[in-house]
Amino acid sequence: QKEVEQNSGPLSVPEGAIASLNCTYSDRGSQSFFWYRQYSGKSPELIMFIYSNGDKEDGRFTAQLNKASQYVSLLIRDSQPSDSATYLCAVPTYTNSGYALNFGKGTSLLVTP
Amino acid sequence: DTAVSQTPKYLVTQMGNDKSIKCEQNLGHDTMYWYKQDSKKFLKIMFSYNNKELIINETVPNRFSPKSPDKAHLNLHINSLELGDSAVYFCASSHSAGANTGELFFGEGSRLTVL
Repeated sequence: QKEVEQNSGPLSVPEGAIASLNCTYSDRGSQSFFWYRQYSGKSPELIMFIYSNGDKEDGRFTAQLNKASQYVSLLIRDSQPSDSATYLCAVPTYTNSGYALNFGKGTSLLVTP
Repeated sequence: DTAVSQTPKYLVTQMGNDKSIKCEQNLGHDTMYWYKQDSKKFLKIMFSYNNKELIINETVPNRFSPKSPDKAHLNLHINSLELGDSAVYFCASSHSAGANTGELFFGEGSRLTVL
């Protein structure tokens, strides 16, 4: 079973701080990595993806990938209360007959004013 | 216009009943999915269809039967409902079904409660 692991949290950070969310994956052949945000009672929405080792920045979000360590992270700078949500790491994984996005269990982030 | 729409949004039913959830996408995508999110918020793939053809069928009881009449629609029928089927069922779509497919567009979810 190919795994995507995240700490469930909750991770609590004060407003304005950097939130760091981590994810490890077991399939060494994985090539692409995705971060979804899910507000309580809502559906997941894609916020970042990364294919290459290193950092990828988009506004206040930075995704970091280290394929050798099988580790991907999401940094949120200048955290806002509106960032409070569950963040899901996802990796396309080959299942019995095709690729499907395999999600981690998510990290709950709480940004306190 | 809603890109991926599911109906109904809420279902409350008794054990042993049969129920269906419908999903439609207007994004022109070729691939559609059903995911189940349990009470611990774990989101797990159930089925995937590419252009009306079933391509992924995870370890799901036979009581669950998906149907795709065309590539814009994917329905889920559940027979003989059990307490453990209570969850939020998300429909999603994507442009393709390859190894790097990660941009999924989700519907709002259908919350099923089995009493």
